[in-house]
Amino acid sequence: DARVTQTPRHKVTEMGQEVTMRCQPILGHNTVFWYRQTMMQGLELLAYFRNRAPLDDSGMPKDRFSAEMPDATLATLKIQPSEPRDSAVYFCASGDRLNYGYTFGSGTRLTVV
Amino acid sequence: AQSVTQLGSHVSVSEGALVLLRCNYSSSVPPYLFWYVQYPNQGLQLLLKYTSAATLVKGINGFEAEFKKSETSFHLTKPSAHMSDAAEYFCAVSLTGGFKTIFGAGTRLFVKA
Repeated sequence: DARVTQTPRHKVTEMGQEVTMRCQPILGHNTVFWYRQTMMQGLELLAYFRNRAPLDDSGMPKDRFSAEMPDATLATLKIQPSEPRDSAVYFCASGDRLNYGYTFGSGTRLTVV
Repeated sequence: AQSVTQLGSHVSVSEGALVLLRCNYSSSVPPYLFWYVQYPNQGLQLLLKYTSAATLVKGINGFEAEFKKSETSFHLTKPSAHMSDAAEYFCAVSLTGGFKTIFGAGTRLFVKA
């Protein structure tokens, strides 16, 4: 089965450090999403891309978060500087317009201490 | 703006009993509706989707959901619960033709032996 691959699976970092999370979407999927999941807020859409162009990043704190797709096989989410409140599981998902519904990666569990 | 409300953050059923997870949506245009399942330490997996075809949608693992426009509902059911169904279930909505998807808060299903 095709899958979305996220790295790293777990990340523990100190406050103020830069964190980069990576996602390899399913080959052929032209839409990529970043979600954040916490107990308090549930699933929040941070940003999404279509054909590598950012379509909506209104859910993302602009001062510290950035999302990019340098090529069709890689999406990145960067936090700089990281803060304890960023601790969450970050999911990447990909999809295409022919088959509505996303395929999620296994997530990156981020802990900022 | 569209939104999703899942009634009940926790549902407990006995093995073999009917599973009913409730979801109501709000949308100004015909929506696409989805149910996803999340097992511990994993990403979300698409169970089923409604995209304006048949109102009764069958998904994986014996689950089905019925779109009822008059009730703005999309409840998830399974005739007989298995222990392996214990997980968190998310209802989600996106606008017809669109791709941005909003998730509900989730319902955790417990299955008792």
